[in-house]
Amino acid sequence: SAVISQKPSRDICQRGTSLTIQCQVDSQVTMMFWYRQQPGQSLTLIATANQGSEATYESGFVIDKFPISRPNLTFSTLTVSNMSPEDSSIYLCSVLDNSGVASGDTQYFGPGTRLTVL
Amino acid sequence: AQSVTQPDIHITVSEGASLELRCNYSYGATPYLFWYVQSPGQGLQLLLKYFSGDTLVQGIKGFEAEFKRSQSSFNLRKPSVHWSDAAEYFCAVGPGANNLFFGTGTRLTVIP
Repeated sequence: SAVISQKPSRDICQRGTSLTIQCQVDSQVTMMFWYRQQPGQSLTLIATANQGSEATYESGFVIDKFPISRPNLTFSTLTVSNMSPEDSSIYLCSVLDNSGVASGDTQYFGPGTRLTVL
Repeated sequence: AQSVTQPDIHITVSEGASLELRCNYSYGATPYLFWYVQSPGQGLQLLLKYFSGDTLVQGIKGFEAEFKRSQSSFNLRKPSVHWSDAAEYFCAVGPGANNLFFGTGTRLTVIP
């Protein structure tokens, strides 16, 4: 399975600032995803990061607030812009591993970035 | 539209006891089904998945799950719980692994 790392693991930020979260995977993958997990909640998909093209955002999420880059098949960044306390969440990167033809595709997750906005 | 229900927000079991976490889904066709576990401060770790074939699926850490089409369920089981199993468990469903909808999670507490 793919091994995924995220940086930073946690951060405390001031209102109005921006934070860029990095996601690195140890193998080339076609699809990478960004999720938000608000305190005590389940996961909500923010967007799918597409290599070489703009990210595909889910309803309720916009590029101006959550710009995403995907410069190659092993790396992506998510920026949380103009932060407010409501943005305090865990942000998770995941990848689609479709190398298991017999076992089907699987999403694997990074360790997450715990963001607190004051 | 697809949806996932995990009816139990919080479950407490004694160490060594058996465990069953419930997951019901709504989806028109046979979905991809997953169970993930999230320990405090950690990301999600895949426990097991179903997408076709044998409806009883074995996973890591001694977990298993059974896909029951007639009940639209994919309940997670473990015969003997260990203290290290205390975590949050998420069921996920989708038409494929690239399009998953997650349940709200079940928090498991294990008492000695």
